[in-house]
Amino acid sequence: QAVVTQEPSLTVSPGGTVILTCGSSTGAVTSDHYPYWFQQKPGQAPRTLIYDTSDKHSWTPARFSGSLLGGKAALTLSGAQPEDEADYYCSLSYSGPRVFGGGTQLTVL
Amino acid sequence: EVQLVESGGGLVQPGGSLRLSCAASGFTFSSSWMQWVRQAPGKGLVWVSRISSDDGSYAYYGDSVKGRFTISRDNAKNTVYLQMNSLRADDTAVYYCGRDKGPIPRERSDYWGQGTLVTVSS
Repeated sequence: QAVVTQEPSLTVSPGGTVILTCGSSTGAVTSDHYPYWFQQKPGQAPRTLIYDTSDKHSWTPARFSGSLLGGKAALTLSGAQPEDEADYYCSLSYSGPRVFGGGTQLTVL
Repeated sequence: EVQLVESGGGLVQPGGSLRLSCAASGFTFSSSWMQWVRQAPGKGLVWVSRISSDDGSYAYYGDSVKGRFTISRDNAKNTVYLQMNSLRADDTAVYYCGRDKGPIPRERSDYWGQGTLVTVSS
């Protein structure tokens, strides 16, 4: 099974910009991996922010965006807010099964 | 209003079996792919399984559960199941049911239940 890698933790200042990345042990991440990004706060179910690399749900704040960057999937948060402090997970599709990354704990400080 | 309600969790001994259910409402269940993910206490999300829409003829599994877990669906009851056999201590987790994808392109991983706790312990 492929291994999906994320930064274990990142810190961003309020109003600042941060990029979370998602890599694959099998090589470059492409749109064919259909990258998804999830936000999870303590005690809550995950919430999907981004699907298919860059598409947003109606509830996804405009400050979040998804892309491919340097062979990885990327989640960019521009203008961080205190409520964005959470765990963020990516998942990639491998022709049927999906695999989650280990998650990034994002601190807004 | 969309609802996904998981049930069937609880305490089970190692080597035992458990069947989780996820009752769906508020969307076209039969036309939706469904999925299960899990999260061990204090750990990250782990993708478990997904099943195709309609007759559920396609099912995929994560390596950690392949050969032990089986996903199925009953469209008449708007319910997806996860049959878990040969349970191990490391299967202990909250299991979340979610819609994997609906019939239109923007319906991707959009709904999640609140989870049910499975504890494997003697």
